Amino acid sequence: QVQLVESGGGVVQPGKSLRLSCAASGFAFSSYGIHWVRQAPGKGLEWVAVIWFDGSNKYYADSVKGRFTISRDISKNTLYLQMNSLRAEDTAVYYCAREGWYYGSGSHAVLDNWGQGTLVTVSS
Amino acid sequence: DIQMTQSPSSLSASVGDRVTITCRASQGIRNDLGWYQQKPGKAPKRLIYAASSLLSGVPSRFSGSGSGTEFTLTISSLQPEDFATYYCLQHNSYPWTFGQGTKVDIK
Repeated sequence: QVQLVESGGGVVQPGKSLRLSCAASGFAFSSYGIHWVRQAPGKGLEWVAVIWFDGSNKYYADSVKGRFTISRDISKNTLYLQMNSLRAEDTAVYYCAREGWYYGSGSHAVLDNWGQGTLVTVSS
Repeated sequence: DIQMTQSPSSLSASVGDRVTITCRASQGIRNDLGWYQQKPGKAPKRLIYAASSLLSGVPSRFSGSGSGTEFTLTISSLQPEDFATYYCLQHNSYPWTFGQGTKVDIK
């Protein structure tokens, strides 16, 4: 079955860096786009970044552009999120989610499988 | 960027009630919208894609409608397991954006 397992969260000081990982299994990792979505404590969901199925394109939320980098290692079936210059407002649970494509009145992307999340706390 | 305005932010309802949640996009997004359900401490779960198509395993009491800038999620007869927070998500253009969420709790 499809499984996504995030790791790498923890407590980090403002201005420092952290790298999150998302280990994928149960599907052809190289055939799917994968997203990062975060949720600050007690708040709603915020889309963070995506890497396309073929790795050709990456997009970011304005709030993280220039500070975060999404990447993947096909040989390890693992997605990464390199987070630099961290701020208090980056404190959140970070989820990775697989992008599936569904068809009906066009083609539509769905975040159809999610990991359990990893908590990042930015605090001095 | 496309802004998604979801309303209400919260509602109280009883088992068996009909519940409607609305999402408005700041510009037309065709039907490039999905709905997700999240329970406390859990990852979100996909419910609906293309604004109105139910995903596999989702009960038929859930339905979606809309196109362009206005969308609705309806739960025809609220069940105990439906008490959760619901989010819309547009995938028409990057950056993707979620609505602020609607928390459905027990009256």
